[in-house]
Amino acid sequence: GDSVTQMEGPVTLSEEAFLTINCTYTATGYPSLFWYVQYPGEGLQLLLKATKADDKGSNKGFEATYRKETTSFHLEKGSVQVSDSAVYFCARRGSNYKLTFGKGTLLTVNP
Amino acid sequence: GAGVSQSPSNKVTEKGKDVELRCDPISGHTALYWYRQSLGQGLEFLIYFQGNSAPDKSGLPSDRFSAERTGGSVSTLTIQRTQQEDSAVYLCASSMTGEGTDTQYFGPGTRLTVL
Repeated sequence: GDSVTQMEGPVTLSEEAFLTINCTYTATGYPSLFWYVQYPGEGLQLLLKATKADDKGSNKGFEATYRKETTSFHLEKGSVQVSDSAVYFCARRGSNYKLTFGKGTLLTVNP
Repeated sequence: GAGVSQSPSNKVTEKGKDVELRCDPISGHTALYWYRQSLGQGLEFLIYFQGNSAPDKSGLPSDRFSAERTGGSVSTLTIQRTQQEDSAVYLCASSMTGEGTDTQYFGPGTRLTVL
């Protein structure tokens, strides 16, 4: 079935460090891909999305590129801030409507 | 409304009691979804509504779980005879059409604790 695998955390970085969170997905059909973020005490928020191969989603300095050849959608940010501390979820959505999520990656950024 | 709202934000109940969780989607969104977030299982899909119809209930974990949507708007998720394993955060999401590259917008969730 459909699945998403993302790197397990927790990930701890210093402010201004480079961030990568790996995500791979099952290639069934032509899924849309998403990164959602959950800040402490808050609900899930859409961070960025990409709907077809080679698309790049970007928001708030975060980027992810839809790579069909490697079935990947890795999240990157060049310089993280303390305020980026949160749980990040990679998700896919195929021809049906439901989102399939990865397990989530806890990111902690220290000053 | 401005976003998806859910009530209550927290619910503590005793094992065996019934609970009702409410979701108000974004105005004009025809599609509505329920998910569950728990430590052991991560984020799981429960049910999808298109208008007032639920074409897919396959994610509901048992027949103790049911959901309805009225007027193409508010949805209620009901859990009968609650069990401790039902403890989780129940998330509601809505989207414009439910099709294609539609984005799902999530509410803040209801944290259910079954004692």
